[in-house]
Amino acid sequence: NAGVTQTPKFQVLKTGQSMTLQCAQDMNHNSMYWYRQDPGMGLRLIYYSASEGTTDKGEVPNGYNVSRLNKREFSLRLESAAPSQTSVYFCASRRSPHTDTQYFGPGTRLTVL
Amino acid sequence: GQQLNQSPQSMFIQEGEDVSMNCTSSSIFNTWLWYKQEPGEGPVLLIALYKAGELTSNGRLTAQFGITRKDSFLNISASIPSDVGIYFCAGQKETSGSRLTFGEGTQLTVNP
Repeated sequence: NAGVTQTPKFQVLKTGQSMTLQCAQDMNHNSMYWYRQDPGMGLRLIYYSASEGTTDKGEVPNGYNVSRLNKREFSLRLESAAPSQTSVYFCASRRSPHTDTQYFGPGTRLTVL
Repeated sequence: GQQLNQSPQSMFIQEGEDVSMNCTSSSIFNTWLWYKQEPGEGPVLLIALYKAGELTSNGRLTAQFGITRKDSFLNISASIPSDVGIYFCAGQKETSGSRLTFGEGTQLTVNP
């Protein structure tokens, strides 16, 4: 039982490049989330998926797209990376939207030059 | 934008001291959560609070849900070096569905 896994752990991109951050959970959770963490800003919600087949915008969705590929996997895509997207990205999941515990992955540290 | 104000931003204390941090909001939350994040890791849930006035403990940690529903407090007693990390509060509203709002975090340093 690995919990929430994220790949890659580190990535450096040039402005304008695209990439997809992968997230998977093996806890049979229904809800999954993508956050970004910047110094002094806490965690800000980018997109979330309350259940398989649904996705919704969070607090800072601009410049990102998501895909809930199946119940296990929730990917985050940057179509044209910008330096402002340099951040640490965390994926999280929880059993349902109404349970308390969100389990976080280890994070992906992204640098956009 | 960010709705939770967490303070202090950072704390430098000696091992054995008690620690207090808090979160305040201009709006009401129905659930308050406290997380700890260690370097290179994702946040881990410490305590969850569901009722106004609720006081909940987890070992040396105690958290309270403010009676106005607009604030929450976390206390750590007799701190030890492994308490080092960033502590985040998070709030959830019934109207926000499954979305959490996070505070900016309190960076705790414990000197042996």
